[in-house]
Amino acid sequence: ELKVEQNPLFLSMQEGKNYTIYCNYSTTSDRLYWYRQDPGKSLESLFVLLSNGAVKQEGRLMASLDTKARLSTLHITAAVHDLSATYFCAGAANYGQNFVFGPGTRLSVLP
Amino acid sequence: GAGVSQSPSNKVTEKGKDVELRCDPISGHTALYWYRQSLGQGLEFLIYFQGNSAPDKSGLPSDRFSAERTGGSVSTLTIQRTQQEDSAVYLCASSFIVREKLFFGSGTQLSVL
Repeated sequence: ELKVEQNPLFLSMQEGKNYTIYCNYSTTSDRLYWYRQDPGKSLESLFVLLSNGAVKQEGRLMASLDTKARLSTLHITAAVHDLSATYFCAGAANYGQNFVFGPGTRLSVLP
Repeated sequence: GAGVSQSPSNKVTEKGKDVELRCDPISGHTALYWYRQSLGQGLEFLIYFQGNSAPDKSGLPSDRFSAERTGGSVSTLTIQRTQQEDSAVYLCASSFIVREKLFFGSGTQLSVL
């Protein structure tokens, strides 16, 4: 059974700093998803990583996938307040409902 | 419509009453999911529909919960004899095909008094 963990669960950082959110999963998952949720809003897709070594970047966010280590990272460069949100990763199981979400990382970027 | 539509956006009900939540997925999307999110928590899977296949109901917390999807499009989640612990945001999501990224609706905030 696929299980997905994230760390940290809470992250408070200053504007301009860099940080990485980690997403570990327990069994084979050949793709990995990252979603963003703003307070009081729904989830928005950020990245879909389809293969080992995949790297995708959008603005100050960069996501990568290492299927051998069962690890995905979401790197934040020079954080700005607008990035404050909860970030979820999700693995793709080969059965049933297919998506298994991590618990989320609540990011606060302080001025 | 352009996105996943859910209604109502807010529902306040009394304990013991039945409620129906509606989800209208993006046209052409074959997969439809229901999730529940309690305040400050992650996503709890409820049920998944894929095309004409039997739905995966493994996430429904009790037999008070049921869902259907008519004509491969609109879905209704029904909660019978609501309890206070049912209070949460109910999110619907759809995808074009299995394992493609999900598009989420804005959710229904359910409050059981």
